[in-house]
Amino acid sequence: GNSVTQMEGPVTLSEEAFLTINCTYTATGYPSLFWYVQYPGEGLQLLLKATKADDKGSNKGFEATYRKETTSFHLEKGSVQVSDSAVYFCALSDPGSTLGRLYFGRGTQLTVWP
Amino acid sequence: DAGITQSPRHKVTETGTPVTLRCHQTENHRYMYWYRQDPGHGLRLIHYSYGVKDTDKGEVSDGYSVSRSKTEDFLLTLESATSSQTSVYFCAISGSSGGQETQYFGPGTRLLVL
Repeated sequence: GNSVTQMEGPVTLSEEAFLTINCTYTATGYPSLFWYVQYPGEGLQLLLKATKADDKGSNKGFEATYRKETTSFHLEKGSVQVSDSAVYFCALSDPGSTLGRLYFGRGTQLTVWP
Repeated sequence: DAGITQSPRHKVTETGTPVTLRCHQTENHRYMYWYRQDPGHGLRLIHYSYGVKDTDKGEVSDGYSVSRSKTEDFLLTLESATSSQTSVYFCAISGSSGGQETQYFGPGTRLLVL
C-alpha cells in the first residue's frame, strides 16, 4: 500500500539556521511527491512537488529531491526565517490511480525564533 | 489562489444531530475531496467526487455521506454527529485525476461535537 513517514516534530530553530525535514515513503508504482505547508489558521498550500525520480522541486528557498533508491523526499532550506513557521506535510499521489487522492504524513511543526 | 470556500468556518453542535458542511469552488474543477485533519494523523480522506453525482468512499468514510448535484458544490454530511468527529475538515479540488496534478485546499471548517 501507499504511506508516508515524516520525522516527528516539533522542530525549533533560530533564524538563518539550516532546515531538514525527513520524509520517506512506501508506494505501489511510481508516485508523485509533494510538500504542502499550512500556516496558522489556514488551509494547506502546495510548497513544491516532484513527479519522477531525481527531479528536484523548489520554491521560496525550499528544495526537495525525489530519491527513488532511498524512497525519500527530504525538505531542506538553507536559511529559515520567522515567517517559515508553519506545519509541513509530505504527501504522495499514485499517478496510476484513477482517484487522484493524496496520502499524507502526520505533519511536522516548525517554529523559527528570531 | 484557487477559488474555494467552505461554510461554515466554525461550528459547535451536539452529539446525535446532523451536520452539513459545504464546499464551493469557482474553478470548474472536476475532482473534489473531503479530508479531516487530526493531531497525529495528518490528513485523511473521507470521500471524494469525480463528477456530478459521482462519489466514492475514502479511508475514513464511516458516519459520513456526501452529495454533489452541481460541479461547484460538494456537501459533506455527518448523519448523526459523534464526539469522535470533532475535527478540522478540509475540502480540496483538482483539475484531473492524474497523480501529478496539484490539489488546492479550502480554508477549513472547525467542528466541535459536544
